Amino acid sequence: GQNIDQPTEMTATEGAIVQINCTYQTSGFNGLFWYQQHAGEAPTFLSYNVLDGLEEKGRFSSFLSRSKGYSYLLLKELQMKDSASYLCAVSLKGSYIPTFGRGTSLIVHP
Amino acid sequence: DTGVSQDPRHKITKRGQNVTFRCDPISEHNRLYWYRQTLGQGPEFLTYFQNEAQLEKSRLLSDRFSAERPKGSFSTLEIQRTEQGDSAMYLCASSTDIQETQYFGPGTRLLVL
Repeated sequence: GQNIDQPTEMTATEGAIVQINCTYQTSGFNGLFWYQQHAGEAPTFLSYNVLDGLEEKGRFSSFLSRSKGYSYLLLKELQMKDSASYLCAVSLKGSYIPTFGRGTSLIVHP
Repeated sequence: DTGVSQDPRHKITKRGQNVTFRCDPISEHNRLYWYRQTLGQGPEFLTYFQNEAQLEKSRLLSDRFSAERPKGSFSTLEIQRTEQGDSAMYLCASSTDIQETQYFGPGTRLLVL
């Protein structure tokens, strides 16, 4: 089986930086997704990491360490609209079905 | 094409009734997925199609659930004899053969009374 762990909730201040961690234990790891999901809406794709290292896309960056079974999503210059759930999902080799974590609910306050 | 669409967006039904949801994927995507999501949880995989073939079904999918994708385009998910525990958001996603990234529709929120 797979075990994906991420914090349930985080709070941060508008304009600040926040790091959302995700750890996983699985065999046959292929890659790791991050999705953003606003309340009552569908998940939207943020990033997909297969190789170790940091990938930056504007205010959002995602990091992966395959050897440590660890990833994080870094959000800079936080805006109120960044308040959402952030889902970490692991894909396995030979499977097209990612397994999702429970999500981290991020609350951005003024 | 603006993305994955789902219909209806909301459905309220009485226990024991049958419901059917529709998903229209992004037009060039040949893979289509159904997920269920409850409050505070991530999406749980239900089933997956490649073109018209249903290639994988979750053990979560009871006999009351059936999905079809007859022409390899849109898909339907039917739940027979609904139970209160079926209340959830039902999400559809699609992807291409080449990329693993799935793009989600807005979901159908089901409430079983």
